[in-house]
Amino acid sequence: GQQLNQSPQSMFIQEGEDVSMNCTSSSIFNTWLWYKQDPGEGPVLLIALYKAGELTSNGRLTAQFGITRKDSFLNISASIPSDVGIYFCAGQGGSEKLVFGKGMKLTVNP
Amino acid sequence: SQTIHQWPATLVQPVGSPLSLECTVEGTSNPNLYWYRQAAGRGLQLLFYSVGIGQISSEVPQNLSASRPQDRQFILSSKKLLLSDSGFYLCAWSQGAGNTEAFFGQGTRLTVV
Repeated sequence: GQQLNQSPQSMFIQEGEDVSMNCTSSSIFNTWLWYKQDPGEGPVLLIALYKAGELTSNGRLTAQFGITRKDSFLNISASIPSDVGIYFCAGQGGSEKLVFGKGMKLTVNP
Repeated sequence: SQTIHQWPATLVQPVGSPLSLECTVEGTSNPNLYWYRQAAGRGLQLLFYSVGIGQISSEVPQNLSASRPQDRQFILSSKKLLLSDSGFYLCAWSQGAGNTEAFFGQGTRLTVV
């Protein structure tokens, strides 16, 4: 089945620093999504990408759909304490279901 | 606007007891519906998904079952819970028909004791 490799698994940064994370897949995806999950909550959609090469921003977040359609990255600029949480990538191939990465736990030190 | 409701928020159940978690979506019709399980605060495992009433696809063999008795209602059940069923259960919906942006409920923290 389709699998996503998300890295890094965790990051500890200082407030104000930039963060970069990525996901790779062994198969082609038609859609890449990035989510953030706060403790005890459901994941919240941050950015959706639908075209290879697409670069999309949402405030301090920037995500790209890789040209090969097998990878995507998410950058967070000028991190703030409320950026703390678990970030998930998700991809959709030829079916109606999303495959999720294992998440990247972000800790921001004030 | 669309909303998704999932309840209860937390549940403590003894081993061998039955389970019923309910999820409903408002503000849309014929959504795709999903049940995920998240263990230890990491990784989302897809358990079931449904593209229509009565249509259930199971992703992994397990002690759980799902049903979709109405268009916007998705139920996760078990006849006899196991300790290993403990986890954080998340319901989600998407519009389907090529739109796979999934929106999640608040989750249910299930502890089997």
